[in-house]
Amino acid sequence: AQSVTQPDIHITVSEGASLELRCNYSYGATPYLFWYVQSPGQGLQLLLKYFSGDTLVQGIKGFEAEFKRSQSSFNLRKPSVHWSDAAEYFCAVGAAGAGSYQLTFGKGTKLSVIP
Amino acid sequence: DAGVTQSPTHLIKTRGQQVTLRCSPKSGHDTVSWYQQALGQGPQFIFQYYEEEERQRGNFPDRFSGHQFPNYSSELNVNALLLGDSALYLCASSLGRGSAPLHFGNGTRLTVT
Repeated sequence: AQSVTQPDIHITVSEGASLELRCNYSYGATPYLFWYVQSPGQGLQLLLKYFSGDTLVQGIKGFEAEFKRSQSSFNLRKPSVHWSDAAEYFCAVGAAGAGSYQLTFGKGTKLSVIP
Repeated sequence: DAGVTQSPTHLIKTRGQQVTLRCSPKSGHDTVSWYQQALGQGPQFIFQYYEEEERQRGNFPDRFSGHQFPNYSSELNVNALLLGDSALYLCASSLGRGSAPLHFGNGTRLTVT
């Protein structure tokens, strides 16, 4: 069974500083990987996804993530954080089978931004 | 172009009652997935519907059931509510059998007292 670990429960960064959120996955085959963001009281918004190909994936809002198979990681990065980036971030691994698709999420990392 | 819409936004129920949550997928999408997000946790997969059939179920008891209508909208039903069912219920839609749920609604916040 697949699993996702987000080691950092809460991260605080200053506005303008760089950001890296960690994600480690466990999956027996080639993983499909996702990052979502959730603002308070809202649903999930897809930031980026990795299915195959280039291991550096660009997403919306200036985010990028790098897939490293040897480390089973898919870390999310942003070079300069804005106050509006404060939210909760979820990494997920996808599994397709029997004509359906299931996402397994990590527990999330809450990002706080200091002005 | 409307995204995924869910109703109601908030709901308060008593233990033992039954509840129905509704989801309209993004225009053009035919597959609906449901997830439960307990407070402080990541979402957990409940089930996915395609062509009006439940295609896969996560680790949830039979008290959780669903339905998909010919217009692709969906309902999630929970019977015999427990306090532990209090959570944000998220609906996601996608196009095609076995497709990844890329578009989520804002969820229904269910509180069981």
